[in-house]
Amino acid sequence: QSALTQPASVSGSPGQSITISCTGTSSDVGGYNYVSWYQHHPGKAPKLMIYEVSNRPSGVSNRFSGSKSGNTASLTISGLQAEDEADYYCCSFTSMTTYVFGTGTEVTVL
Amino acid sequence: QLQLQESGPGLVKPSETLSLTCTVSGGPISGGGQHWGWIRQPPGKGLEWIGLIYYAGNTYYNPSLKSRVTIFVDTSRNQFSLKLSSVTAADTAVYYCVQTVSGNPGNIWGQGTLVTVSS
Repeated sequence: QSALTQPASVSGSPGQSITISCTGTSSDVGGYNYVSWYQHHPGKAPKLMIYEVSNRPSGVSNRFSGSKSGNTASLTISGLQAEDEADYYCCSFTSMTTYVFGTGTEVTVL
Repeated sequence: QLQLQESGPGLVKPSETLSLTCTVSGGPISGGGQHWGWIRQPPGKGLEWIGLIYYAGNTYYNPSLKSRVTIFVDTSRNQFSLKLSSVTAADTAVYYCVQTVSGNPGNIWGQGTLVTVSS
């Protein structure tokens, strides 16, 4: 299984909105509503931000939202804050009953 | 609140077997709908899903690691474990144990443990 494709880096100024894409195939992203997103600050454990495409766990800011169209899922961060600077990974369930992560996106707050 | 903690050797020799254990606290490891898995991150690289075990005992592994991986549960100790055989330097990584729920492989994460493969 091949890693899902994400942009290597995305940046934005405080207060702006940014969107991270996650492109797969009909055997993963496009075939199931089981896409999750993780925020990873170096040296810490990753944190679940979005599950099942667009659901936020309790305690996650509503500035984070997820969506999907065809084989591409997206994570949008609105009202960008300095604390949002981190690596972000998408992940999808696959037709092989496995999971596959995205290549990861480094978010920089200018 | 459920917490996970990895334990095991931080250094493994090439060709040997990497063994890690995850201790679950704050709740029982057995129970419908609860599944357990492992995810790793090699230095400077992205996250890689290793595999999971469903509460019913079924296991699913990353196809690229399937021939070398075993995940199993010890309900008496409230632990689950990972064994990865015939390791090479490419298996050097931070290994995370995770609680998996349907469709979401990383619901709750351990803090991670660095395993280095070197002679």
